[in-house]
Amino acid sequence: DQQVKQNSPSLSVQEGRISILNCDYTNSMFDYFLWYKKYPAEGPTFLISISSIKDKNEDGRFTVFLNKSAKHLSLHIVPSQPGDSAVYFCAARGGSNYKLTFGKGTLLTVNP
Amino acid sequence: DVKVTQSSRYLVKRTGEKVFLECVQDMDHENMFWYRQDPGLGLRLIYFSYDVKMKEKGDIPEGYSVSREKKERFSLILESASTNQTSMYLCASRTDLNEKLFFGSGTQLSVL
Repeated sequence: DQQVKQNSPSLSVQEGRISILNCDYTNSMFDYFLWYKKYPAEGPTFLISISSIKDKNEDGRFTVFLNKSAKHLSLHIVPSQPGDSAVYFCAARGGSNYKLTFGKGTLLTVNP
Repeated sequence: DVKVTQSSRYLVKRTGEKVFLECVQDMDHENMFWYRQDPGLGLRLIYFSYDVKMKEKGDIPEGYSVSREKKERFSLILESASTNQTSMYLCASRTDLNEKLFFGSGTQLSVL
């Protein structure tokens, strides 16, 4: 049973426009969420996170929104740049403090 | 700067071989993890360790074992490699107090 879902396998956006990546979860015990970015042949790198007590967190061009009632979070990238082209993973923590559950990822392509 | 080092970027092994994947972190982190990444399946947790000599099964431990004799080193062992273990293997670490995972660059393992 997939507890963290990224329903869009891919997304294509024009440079300078907004990229919105979505993530849904089913486990109400999840209390902390993270986004990771992964380039080919490299390990994922941490991008931004949000605690369940907040509904928004910003870091430069990246903003994560959390809607707990809908069990939905989204990552906004504004403005998008070609260097943002990568696979983005949503991850959630809940229950065991040690384990993060990852979504399947969304491939973002930003076209010049 | 944070560093998680995986001993090999690419490995090619034969079916039935015993395979060792090594991971070293230099951040004095308590927790270490092994994930595998497969297209369309995202990141799946194989094993993790929350302390030296301690280990816990993740979501897909079958066919794998681990060893953590020293705090900085976490080894993944494929007892008898099979073709369905062809994958990208990612090691990660973190402190007890922070959910943020730091990943290595990954080992692309091909089992022929």
